[in-house]
Amino acid sequence: NAGVTQTPKFQVLKTGQSMTLQCAQDMNHEYMSWYRQDPGMGLRLIHYSVGAGITDQGEVPNGYNVSRSTTEDFPLRLLSAAPSQTSVYFCASRDRDGRYEQYFGPGTRLTVT
Amino acid sequence: SQQGEEDPQALSIQEGENATMNCSYKTSINNLQWYRQNSGRGLVHLILIRSNEREKHSGRLRVTLDTSKKSSSLLITASRAADTASYFCATLYRGSTLGRLYFGRGTQLTVWP
Repeated sequence: NAGVTQTPKFQVLKTGQSMTLQCAQDMNHEYMSWYRQDPGMGLRLIHYSVGAGITDQGEVPNGYNVSRSTTEDFPLRLLSAAPSQTSVYFCASRDRDGRYEQYFGPGTRLTVT
Repeated sequence: SQQGEEDPQALSIQEGENATMNCSYKTSINNLQWYRQNSGRGLVHLILIRSNEREKHSGRLRVTLDTSKKSSSLLITASRAADTASYFCATLYRGSTLGRLYFGRGTQLTVWP
């Protein structure tokens, strides 16, 4: 099992550029989430999905889009990057059991100049 | 915000000493989880304690939960340099049908050899 994988590991964008952060999991988890981590802020939820075709917003969704066409993949799209989106992005997944323990990917460090 | 709050923000100890970090939260929970994050990596689940439990152990980890004070403590006994990491508490609030976790801002633990 690879667990949760994310690509790329690092990315530098110019303001206004678009890109997609990839996330995949091979554990057949229904629930997947995207977080951003900023110094002193902890993890903040951007978007989440409870299954293929079902997504919803977290607490900081502005500037990001998601879709979930398969159980395995949950890409995060930045439509027009802004310096405020400079952050480390983590994808996580979990099973639908009652523990709600999350499995995290290694993260993508994004810098927007 | 529903985030938990860890205390202290930073902790520095010598190898062999015990490390204690605390987490306070806001409303009734279903469970509380602790995660570790090594520098530059994703979060890793350490231990989960349910709202009807008062104490749990896992190896050198001991977690306590006081629901009357809405607080939890994580104790790492006989610390090692390899325990150097950030530690986060995450709460699953009662009534959270989608299993959304709220993460605190973390405690940075440094263990000196």
